[in-house]
Amino acid sequence: EAQVTQNPRYLITVTGKKLTVTCSQNMNHEYMSWYRQDPGLGLRQIYYSMNVEVTDKGDVPEGYKVSRKEKRNFPLILESPSPNQTSLYFCASSLSRTSGRSIGELFFGEGSRLTVL
Amino acid sequence: QKEVEQNSGPLSVPEGAIASLNCTYSDRGSQSFFWYRQYSGKSPELIMFIYSNGDKEDGRFTAQLNKASQYVSLLIRDSQPSDSATYLCAVGGSQGNLIFGKGTKLSVKP
Repeated sequence: EAQVTQNPRYLITVTGKKLTVTCSQNMNHEYMSWYRQDPGLGLRQIYYSMNVEVTDKGDVPEGYKVSRKEKRNFPLILESPSPNQTSLYFCASSLSRTSGRSIGELFFGEGSRLTVL
Repeated sequence: QKEVEQNSGPLSVPEGAIASLNCTYSDRGSQSFFWYRQYSGKSPELIMFIYSNGDKEDGRFTAQLNKASQYVSLLIRDSQPSDSATYLCAVGGSQGNLIFGKGTKLSVKP
């Protein structure tokens, strides 16, 4: 089954305790992206990756890191989480423009709800 | 700052009616346009995309694009209670990025 898998789905942590949210896709997609969704603010892009070893900042990258060492995985790292990073996080993937498809045809993971106390 | 604007709603329509959802965008260089549906507590799901001016139909859904007016819409015919969700408009910008609107909440009353 084609899917984007995120873990953990739910996490409560404390300020400053490093955490990683994993994201894996099994569709051989080149493009992967992280979004956060907050009430009244909609979906905002954190980081994206057009291919292995290529990452770029989205609209709200502060406080986050990513890496793309393998095509299927795109982890999101919060080095020192703060309460303003409490949010619902989505990982998404798609075929890239070079495949004749738009990056906007996204498959989303189920989301990871993070609470930072 | 490139923007995508949607009426937040809620938009309430009776079952069987046509629901009309609208979206405007600021980047004239935008080339690709998407509609996602998000049920409460779930992840967004792509339901339509359109790349050329005009209409594109898929079942009960029709996407309409007018690049001159920088306007894209989604029509849902014969609306069902199961269509009740938040609909997100997303626009592929000229920079290669994807910008989402904040979504319109649709409620279909039985």
